[in-house]
Amino acid sequence: QVQLVQSGAEVKKPGASVKVSCKVSGYTLTELSMHWVRQAPGKGLEWMGRFDPEDGETFYAQKFQGRVTMTEDTSTDTVYMELGSLRSEDTAVYFCTTENRDCTNGVCRIIFDYWGQGTLVTVSS
Amino acid sequence: DIQMTQSPSSLSASVGDRVTITCRASQSISNYLNWYQQKPGKAPKILIYAASGLQSGVPSRFSGSGSGTDFTLTISSLQPEDFATYYCQQSYSSPRAFGQGTKVEIK
Repeated sequence: QVQLVQSGAEVKKPGASVKVSCKVSGYTLTELSMHWVRQAPGKGLEWMGRFDPEDGETFYAQKFQGRVTMTEDTSTDTVYMELGSLRSEDTAVYFCTTENRDCTNGVCRIIFDYWGQGTLVTVSS
Repeated sequence: DIQMTQSPSSLSASVGDRVTITCRASQSISNYLNWYQQKPGKAPKILIYAASGLQSGVPSRFSGSGSGTDFTLTISSLQPEDFATYYCQQSYSSPRAFGQGTKVEIK
Protein backbone atom coordinates (compact mmCIF):
# COMPACT_ATOMS: atom_id res chain seq x y z
CA GLN A 1 0.00 0.00 0.00
CA VAL A 2 1.44 3.33 -1.09
CA GLN A 3 1.42 6.15 1.46
CA LEU A 4 2.35 9.76 0.84
CA VAL A 5 3.07 11.90 3.90
CA GLN A 6 3.60 15.60 3.38
CA SER A 7 5.34 18.20 5.51
CA GLY A 8 3.42 20.54 7.76
CA ALA A 9 1.76 23.88 7.20
CA GLU A 10 3.89 26.90 6.31
CA VAL A 11 3.43 30.64 6.62
CA LYS A 12 5.57 32.73 4.30
CA LYS A 13 5.96 36.39 3.44
CA PRO A 14 5.50 37.67 -0.13
CA GLY A 15 8.64 37.18 -2.18
CA ALA A 16 9.86 34.24 -0.12
CA SER A 17 10.14 30.59 -1.18
CA VAL A 18 8.54 27.48 0.25
CA LYS A 19 9.68 23.86 -0.05
CA VAL A 20 7.07 21.16 0.54
CA SER A 21 8.13 17.56 1.01
CA CYS A 22 6.28 14.34 0.22
CA LYS A 23 7.65 11.11 1.71
CA VAL A 24 6.71 7.96 -0.15
CA SER A 25 6.37 4.55 1.47
CA GLY A 26 5.17 1.20 0.19
CA TYR A 27 6.63 1.69 -3.28
CA THR A 28 9.93 2.30 -4.99
CA LEU A 29 10.23 5.99 -5.79
CA THR A 30 11.79 5.40 -9.20
CA GLU A 31 8.71 3.41 -10.28
CA LEU A 32 6.38 6.36 -9.71
CA SER A 33 5.44 9.49 -11.59
CA MET A 34 4.95 12.23 -9.02
CA HIS A 35 2.66 15.17 -9.65
CA TRP A 36 1.78 18.26 -7.66
CA VAL A 37 -1.70 19.78 -7.53
CA ARG A 38 -2.79 22.80 -5.57
CA GLN A 39 -6.13 24.15 -4.36
CA ALA A 40 -6.68 27.74 -3.28
CA PRO A 41 -9.27 28.29 -0.54
CA GLY A 42 -12.75 27.60 -1.91
CA LYS A 43 -11.38 27.00 -5.41
CA GLY A 44 -10.79 24.08 -7.74
CA LEU A 45 -7.84 21.80 -8.38
CA GLU A 46 -4.89 23.20 -10.30
CA TRP A 47 -2.20 20.96 -11.79
CA MET A 48 1.30 22.34 -11.25
CA GLY A 49 3.65 19.83 -12.77
CA ARG A 50 5.21 16.41 -12.61
CA PHE A 51 8.51 14.83 -11.72
CA ASP A 52 9.61 11.36 -12.86
CA PRO A 53 12.20 10.06 -10.33
CA GLU A 54 13.33 7.33 -12.72
CA ASP A 55 15.02 9.79 -15.07
CA GLY A 56 14.63 13.12 -13.28
CA GLU A 57 12.43 14.49 -16.06
CA THR A 58 10.15 17.37 -15.14
CA PHE A 59 7.20 19.07 -16.83
CA TYR A 60 5.86 22.25 -15.29
CA ALA A 61 2.64 24.09 -16.08
CA GLN A 62 3.48 27.24 -17.98
CA LYS A 63 1.94 29.34 -15.21
CA PHE A 64 4.66 28.20 -12.80
CA GLN A 65 7.63 28.07 -15.18
CA GLY A 66 10.63 29.78 -13.63
CA ARG A 67 9.14 29.72 -10.13
CA VAL A 68 8.75 26.02 -9.38
CA THR A 69 11.28 23.24 -8.96
CA MET A 70 10.47 19.58 -8.33
CA THR A 71 13.22 17.31 -7.03
CA GLU A 72 13.82 14.06 -5.20
CA ASP A 73 15.99 12.52 -2.53
CA THR A 74 16.12 8.81 -3.27
CA SER A 75 18.00 8.10 -0.04
CA THR A 76 14.87 9.06 1.91
CA ASP A 77 12.20 8.29 -0.75
CA THR A 78 11.10 11.89 -0.62
CA VAL A 79 10.07 14.28 -3.38
CA TYR A 80 10.05 18.04 -3.03
CA MET A 81 8.22 20.95 -4.59
CA GLU A 82 9.77 24.38 -4.17
CA LEU A 83 7.84 27.47 -5.20
CA GLY A 84 9.57 30.83 -5.22
CA SER A 85 8.61 34.51 -5.47
CA LEU A 86 5.50 33.79 -3.43
CA ARG A 87 2.51 36.10 -3.62
CA SER A 88 -0.81 36.10 -1.82
CA GLU A 89 -2.45 34.21 -4.71
CA ASP A 90 -0.19 31.24 -3.92
CA THR A 91 -2.03 30.68 -0.64
CA ALA A 92 -3.37 27.17 -1.12
CA VAL A 93 -3.27 23.55 -0.06
CA TYR A 94 -0.57 21.74 -2.03
CA PHE A 95 -0.98 18.02 -2.74
CA CYS A 96 1.48 15.47 -4.05
CA THR A 97 -0.03 12.57 -5.96
CA THR A 98 1.16 9.54 -7.87
CA GLU A 99 0.10 8.94 -11.44
CA ASN A 100 -0.57 5.30 -12.22
CA ARG A 101 -0.35 4.28 -15.89
CA ASP A 102 -1.72 0.88 -16.80
CA CYS A 103 -2.76 -0.25 -20.26
CA THR A 104 -4.58 -3.58 -20.42
CA ASN A 105 -6.72 -5.05 -23.20
CA GLY A 106 -6.66 -1.80 -25.14
CA VAL A 107 -7.82 0.35 -22.21
CA CYS A 108 -5.34 2.78 -20.70
CA ARG A 109 -5.95 3.82 -17.13
CA ILE A 110 -3.86 6.88 -16.33
CA ILE A 111 -5.04 8.18 -12.98
CA PHE A 112 -3.95 10.01 -9.86
CA ASP A 113 -4.41 7.15 -7.43
CA TYR A 114 -2.55 7.99 -4.23
CA TRP A 115 -2.51 11.43 -2.61
CA GLY A 116 -0.72 13.11 0.24
CA GLN A 117 -2.78 14.70 2.98
CA GLY A 118 -2.09 18.20 1.68
CA THR A 119 0.08 21.03 2.97
CA LEU A 120 -1.41 24.46 3.60
CA VAL A 121 0.88 27.27 2.49
CA THR A 122 -0.21 30.72 3.59
CA VAL A 123 1.43 33.76 2.03
CA SER A 124 0.86 36.86 4.08
CA SER A 125 2.76 39.96 5.08
CA ASP B 1 -2.84 23.20 -23.79
CA ILE B 2 -6.14 21.36 -23.34
CA GLN B 3 -8.82 23.17 -21.36
CA MET B 4 -11.55 21.31 -19.48
CA THR B 5 -14.97 22.88 -18.90
CA GLN B 6 -17.55 21.39 -16.54
CA SER B 7 -21.21 22.19 -16.15
CA PRO B 8 -23.01 23.02 -14.04
CA SER B 9 -20.68 24.59 -11.47
CA SER B 10 -23.12 23.59 -8.76
CA LEU B 11 -26.41 21.79 -8.38
CA SER B 12 -28.92 20.99 -5.67
CA ALA B 13 -30.44 17.55 -5.54
CA SER B 14 -32.27 15.22 -3.19
CA VAL B 15 -31.36 11.76 -1.99
CA GLY B 16 -32.47 9.29 -4.66
CA ASP B 17 -32.21 11.75 -7.54
CA ARG B 18 -30.39 10.99 -10.76
CA VAL B 19 -27.57 13.48 -11.27
CA THR B 20 -25.66 14.23 -14.44
CA ILE B 21 -22.50 16.33 -14.76
CA THR B 22 -20.90 17.17 -18.08
CA CYS B 23 -17.32 17.89 -19.04
CA ARG B 24 -16.03 19.22 -22.34
CA ALA B 25 -12.45 19.21 -23.58
CA SER B 26 -11.11 21.97 -25.82
CA GLN B 27 -9.82 19.32 -28.24
CA SER B 28 -10.25 15.59 -28.68
CA ILE B 29 -8.80 13.54 -25.84
CA SER B 30 -10.14 10.16 -27.02
CA ASN B 31 -11.25 8.46 -23.78
CA TYR B 32 -8.46 9.81 -21.57
CA LEU B 33 -10.88 11.32 -19.11
CA ASN B 34 -11.11 10.69 -15.37
CA TRP B 35 -13.61 11.73 -12.72
CA TYR B 36 -12.73 12.48 -9.08
CA GLN B 37 -14.80 13.13 -5.99
CA GLN B 38 -13.55 15.50 -3.31
CA LYS B 39 -15.01 16.10 0.13
CA PRO B 40 -14.09 19.14 2.27
CA GLY B 41 -10.63 18.93 3.79
CA LYS B 42 -9.78 15.73 1.92
CA ALA B 43 -7.74 14.78 -1.12
CA PRO B 44 -9.63 13.85 -4.29
CA LYS B 45 -10.64 10.24 -4.85
CA ILE B 46 -10.71 8.57 -8.27
CA LEU B 47 -14.16 7.34 -9.34
CA ILE B 48 -14.05 6.77 -13.09
CA TYR B 49 -11.07 6.25 -15.41
CA ALA B 50 -10.80 6.13 -19.20
CA ALA B 51 -14.21 7.83 -19.47
CA SER B 52 -16.27 4.81 -18.40
CA GLY B 53 -14.15 2.48 -16.27
CA LEU B 54 -15.36 2.10 -12.70
CA GLN B 55 -12.45 2.24 -10.24
CA SER B 56 -12.29 -0.72 -7.90
CA GLY B 57 -14.33 -0.14 -4.75
CA VAL B 58 -16.51 2.61 -6.22
CA PRO B 59 -20.28 1.99 -6.02
CA SER B 60 -21.99 1.00 -9.26
CA ARG B 61 -24.38 3.96 -9.04
CA PHE B 62 -21.50 5.98 -10.53
CA SER B 63 -21.03 5.72 -14.27
CA GLY B 64 -19.25 7.64 -16.99
CA SER B 65 -19.63 7.95 -20.72
CA GLY B 66 -18.32 9.88 -23.70
CA SER B 67 -15.32 10.14 -25.96
CA GLY B 68 -13.58 12.78 -28.01
CA THR B 69 -14.55 16.09 -26.42
CA ASP B 70 -17.81 15.45 -24.54
CA PHE B 71 -18.15 13.41 -21.38
CA THR B 72 -20.71 12.72 -18.69
CA LEU B 73 -20.66 11.54 -15.09
CA THR B 74 -23.95 10.09 -13.84
CA ILE B 75 -24.98 9.19 -10.32
CA SER B 76 -28.04 6.99 -10.75
CA SER B 77 -29.48 7.40 -7.26
CA LEU B 78 -27.84 10.06 -5.10
CA GLN B 79 -26.87 8.93 -1.61
CA PRO B 80 -26.11 11.12 1.43
CA GLU B 81 -22.39 10.36 1.16
CA ASP B 82 -22.32 11.58 -2.46
CA PHE B 83 -22.68 15.25 -1.55
CA ALA B 84 -19.27 16.51 -2.59
CA THR B 85 -17.44 18.29 -5.41
CA TYR B 86 -16.70 16.40 -8.61
CA TYR B 87 -13.87 17.12 -11.04
CA CYS B 88 -13.08 15.82 -14.49
CA GLN B 89 -9.42 15.55 -15.52
CA GLN B 90 -7.74 14.80 -18.82
CA SER B 91 -4.81 12.37 -18.93
CA TYR B 92 -4.32 12.60 -22.70
CA SER B 93 -1.37 14.97 -22.64
CA SER B 94 0.76 17.25 -20.49
CA PRO B 95 -0.02 19.63 -19.00
CA ARG B 96 -2.69 17.65 -17.21
CA ALA B 97 -5.83 19.69 -16.53
CA PHE B 98 -8.89 19.57 -14.31
CA GLY B 99 -12.33 20.96 -14.88
CA GLN B 100 -13.38 23.73 -12.51
CA GLY B 101 -15.52 21.38 -10.44
CA THR B 102 -19.21 20.73 -9.80
CA LYS B 103 -20.48 21.03 -6.25
CA VAL B 104 -23.39 18.71 -5.49
CA GLU B 105 -25.43 20.08 -2.60
CA ILE B 106 -28.44 18.87 -0.67
CA LYS B 107 -31.78 20.31 -1.79
